[in-house]
Amino acid sequence: ETGVTQTPRHLVMGMTNKKSLKCEQHLGHNVMYWYKQSAKKPLELMFVYSLEERVENNSVPSRFSPECPNSSHLFLHLHTLQPEDSALYLCASSDSISSETQYFGPGTRLLVL
Amino acid sequence: QKEVEQNSGPLSVPEGAIASLNCTYSDRGSQSFFWYRQYSGKSPELIMSIYSNGDKEDGRFTAQLNKASQYVSLLIRDSQPSDSATYLCAVFYNQGGKLIFGQGTELSVKP
Repeated sequence: ETGVTQTPRHLVMGMTNKKSLKCEQHLGHNVMYWYKQSAKKPLELMFVYSLEERVENNSVPSRFSPECPNSSHLFLHLHTLQPEDSALYLCASSDSISSETQYFGPGTRLLVL
Repeated sequence: QKEVEQNSGPLSVPEGAIASLNCTYSDRGSQSFFWYRQYSGKSPELIMSIYSNGDKEDGRFTAQLNKASQYVSLLIRDSQPSDSATYLCAVFYNQGGKLIFGQGTELSVKP
């Protein structure tokens, strides 16, 4: 595997379910990001982890819970989501927190019923 | 609130024409500007970066930056149907190391 991978690619869940999104980067980067992309809206930065430490939390509801066990892996744990949380969730990585170039994974398309 | 604005489109151009995509940003202190291409159902892919006023050319793509007007654009010459995608403008803010995206402009190149 090369670059940034995400699983699953598609996910349908009910509002009472608990699920997790996984991201893995194979680039040797130290910073990982979660973004949310809703239709016709800009990408919204959700969380940033630098060397496994959370450095950014953009007022994201607590029903989204990130986890970064090491610099190569990033998870987004989901519970009691709402239909408006349906979106494309993108993971990205970069070399450092000051690096301007981010590499994106393919995304997880989430549908909350 | 740092903002990046783009026309959402869709912008439709005939094959072989020049497509012009525009972006404005709110923070005068911004130094780094990027264009990403996103095909439907795919992730954003970096295609151009520009840091200085003026033009930067890469193949059929030209990025233009005017910091005084807080304006950045992307020109695609000899547009091809394969260029049909959403183009995202992004601005990097050194404070906090954040990349702020516009909502994207959908481009459709008709054969």
